[in-house]
Amino acid sequence: DQQVKQNSPSLSVQEGRISILNCDYTNSMFDYFLWYKKYPAEGPTFLISISSIKDKNEDGRFTVFLNKSAKHLSLHIVPSQPGDSAVYFCAGAPFGNEKLTFGTGTRLTIIP
Amino acid sequence: NAGVTQTPKFQVLKTGQSMTLQCAQDMNHNSMYWYRQDPGMGLRLIYYSASEGTTDKGEVPNGYNVSRLNKREFSLRLESAAPSQTSVYFCASNGGPGANEQFFGPGTRLTVL
Repeated sequence: DQQVKQNSPSLSVQEGRISILNCDYTNSMFDYFLWYKKYPAEGPTFLISISSIKDKNEDGRFTVFLNKSAKHLSLHIVPSQPGDSAVYFCAGAPFGNEKLTFGTGTRLTIIP
Repeated sequence: NAGVTQTPKFQVLKTGQSMTLQCAQDMNHNSMYWYRQDPGMGLRLIYYSASEGTTDKGEVPNGYNVSRLNKREFSLRLESAAPSQTSVYFCASNGGPGANEQFFGPGTRLTVL
């Protein structure tokens, strides 16, 4: 049972345009969501997070939106840069529970 | 401050061999984790340790054992490696309850022939 789903295995976006990565979850106990970025041959690195009391969190070029009723979150990257080419994982957890459940990842390619 | 370190970076084993993957963190974190990453499967939790001296199973614990040697170190052991354990293994740590962000090591790429 995949509790966190990233239905797009890959996405290609022109440099300078907006990248939108999507994530759906089924566990209604999840209160906290994170996005991680992973380059080849490296470990994932934390990018941005959002708790269920918010519907938006912004950090520079990165914004995460949470739609609790639809159990859907998205990561927006504006403007997209070549260095954003990586695999992006979303993850969720119940509040106060540090065990994360990860999605399968989306490979983002930024085309110069 | 090295963060989370893992050894070795690469390993090739034959079926039935055993090995231990080492992980250490210097951030004084309470919780540590072992994941495996397989194509199309994302990151799946093998075992975790909420504090020194405690360990618990994750989603895919079969074929693995762990030891939380002290607060810094958390090792993963394969007693009798199988080809299905070919994967990239990541260790991670975080500050414990209320601290959701996990910090990952660089990974160990394991091939079992």
